[in-house]
Amino acid sequence: GAVVSQHPSRVICKSGTSVKIECRSLDFQATTMFWYRQFPKKSLMLMATSNEGSKATYEQGVEKDKFLINHASLTLSTLTVTSAHPEDSSFYICSASRGGPMYEQYFGPGTRLTVT
Amino acid sequence: KNEVEQSPQNLTAQEGEFITINCSYSVGISALHWLQQHPGGGIVSLFMLSSGKKKHGRLIATINIQEKHSSLHITASHPRDSAVYICAVWGSQGNLIFGKGTKLSVKP
Repeated sequence: GAVVSQHPSRVICKSGTSVKIECRSLDFQATTMFWYRQFPKKSLMLMATSNEGSKATYEQGVEKDKFLINHASLTLSTLTVTSAHPEDSSFYICSASRGGPMYEQYFGPGTRLTVT
Repeated sequence: KNEVEQSPQNLTAQEGEFITINCSYSVGISALHWLQQHPGGGIVSLFMLSSGKKKHGRLIATINIQEKHSSLHITASHPRDSAVYICAVWGSQGNLIFGKGTKLSVKP
């Protein structure tokens, strides 16, 4: 099956710093990548959808200047949490698909971000 | 009322039992996903369907578009099936809406 990796799996950073999370599709070309966050014991929340080579589409309530998403190639998307605060601490998950909503999504293992 | 409702929220079963998890939604959709999330956080996409029924191993997913309802069935359940099962729908406006998940525990 298709494999999606995320790096790092865990990161601890100080308030005010920026953190970059990478999402890679290892064995297929991902036209579309999705970024989610999940608070403890809560369901997933879609943050943004990114298509290779174009700007990400952010969900309502997600600050695009705070959560910078870049999808520069068909195998890599990055999420940068800028000027992180403790309330940004969460589990961030990416998924990738060969197409849009009607295509199968393959999920990365997630990144646990803790902001101190 | 949430646009995607799952039931039950929690489910405990004995190994070997037949399990059903339900998902009802109130919006028009283009597709519905069933996802499995293990305690470590990893997510696996089990099914994506827009009509009818799909089967993969011991898992069966059905959807009734007219009734806006989907079910996930697990036959001959096993402790390794213990996980949170999440229903998610792609709305016809292009938005993705998640249910709150059903936590399944299968006891040996």
